[in-house]
Amino acid sequence: EAQVTQNPRYLITVTGKKLTVTCSQNMNHEYMSWYRQDPGLGLRQIYYSMNVEVTDKGDVPEGYKVSRKEKRNFPLILESPSPNQTSLYFCASSSYSEGTNNEQFFGPGTRLTVL
Amino acid sequence: DQQVKQNSPSLSVQEGRISILNCDYTNSMFDYFLWYKKYPAEGPTFLISISSIKDKNEDGRFTVFLNKSAKHLSLHIVPSQPGDSAVYFCAATVVPFMDSNYQLIWGAGTKLIIKP
Repeated sequence: EAQVTQNPRYLITVTGKKLTVTCSQNMNHEYMSWYRQDPGLGLRQIYYSMNVEVTDKGDVPEGYKVSRKEKRNFPLILESPSPNQTSLYFCASSSYSEGTNNEQFFGPGTRLTVL
Repeated sequence: DQQVKQNSPSLSVQEGRISILNCDYTNSMFDYFLWYKKYPAEGPTFLISISSIKDKNEDGRFTVFLNKSAKHLSLHIVPSQPGDSAVYFCAATVVPFMDSNYQLIWGAGTKLIIKP
């Protein structure tokens, strides 16, 4: 089954304690992205990756890191989480063909609470 | 500055009637507009899209209309069914070109409630 998986689904942590949210896709997609969803704001892009070892900032990258060592995995790293990073996080992937729309597939989400 | 706006946080519709969800945008460079549906505790799933060169796209009970001059699009669901109760997000994008970011710009969502 084609899917994007995220772990953990729920996490409560404290300020300053490093954490990693994993994301994996089994569709051999080149493009992967992290979004956060906050009330009244829709989803906002944190980081994206065009392919292995190619990553770049989205609209709200502060306080986050990512890596893309393998095509299927795109972990989101919070080196020193703060309460304003409490949010619902989604990982997405898609193929990447220039000049055409490509459907983005989303993981189930990770609800993070930073105390 | 929100480039994609959904001004109705919620909408309640009787089962069997038409549901109309609206979306406005400000960036005339958008190439594609998409609607995603989201159930609680799940990620958004793609529903239907429309290219900026078209004014209508239909898929079963779902039809999306695009009015470029008004920078407005709408999603029509006919007839509405209880399983359609979900949050609907409008999103817009510029198709990838020359290694550009394939970013979706999202509205805040509209919660659709279908009453039996």
